[in-house]
Amino acid sequence: QSALTQPASVSGSPGQSITISCTGTSSDVGSYNLVSWYQQHPGKAPKLMIYEVSKRPSGVSNRFSGSKSGNTASLTISGLQAEDEADYYCCSYAGSSSYVVFGGGTKLTVL
Amino acid sequence: EVQLVESGGGLVQPGGSLRLSCAASGFTFSSYSMNWVRQAPGKGLEWVSYISSSSSTIYYADSVKGRFTISRDNAKNSLYLQMNSLRAEDTAVYYCATYPGYFDYWGQGTLVTVSS
Repeated sequence: QSALTQPASVSGSPGQSITISCTGTSSDVGSYNLVSWYQQHPGKAPKLMIYEVSKRPSGVSNRFSGSKSGNTASLTISGLQAEDEADYYCCSYAGSSSYVVFGGGTKLTVL
Repeated sequence: EVQLVESGGGLVQPGGSLRLSCAASGFTFSSYSMNWVRQAPGKGLEWVSYISSSSSTIYYADSVKGRFTISRDNAKNSLYLQMNSLRAEDTAVYYCATYPGYFDYWGQGTLVTVSS
């Protein structure tokens, strides 16, 4: 049950766009369109931002978008805002043997 | 409104046991598979265990297999995690969450601290 690989940190200025990558394997990200992304502010529970690779839950800003190519998924945040500063985690279904695997998390800093 | 409320966390000595509960409301609990996810202090999220809606299918992460037991009581809209042989590395906030292919609803978490 190896974790998905994310960059430890990314940063951007207000109004800019950033992309967070999430690299897995052919057993998880590459095999299933069940990649999801979560935003977590300090001391709070994670919040679902993207599910099934690119779908946004009701209430999530359209500044958040997701995609996948091969074994790598990506989360893009456009028009960065101060409130976007948080930790972001990717997650993928990995079949009945490992079930679910998370990325190590990426700390987004809005400069 | 969907609500998941965890309870049962606390301080326990290494080798000890603890039982976590998760009370669900605002949705048809008996129709949803449920999970436990944990987060060690300052660390990332780690999936712990899954239970199907009817309890017929159960999975565990390798790190807890043989020590933790997940269960549910659909009549009481409740999810449980029995944790035995606790280790320092089990120290974490434990969340219960629904998972229809993604973790859409989360509780606020309950802190488990394993220390002497």
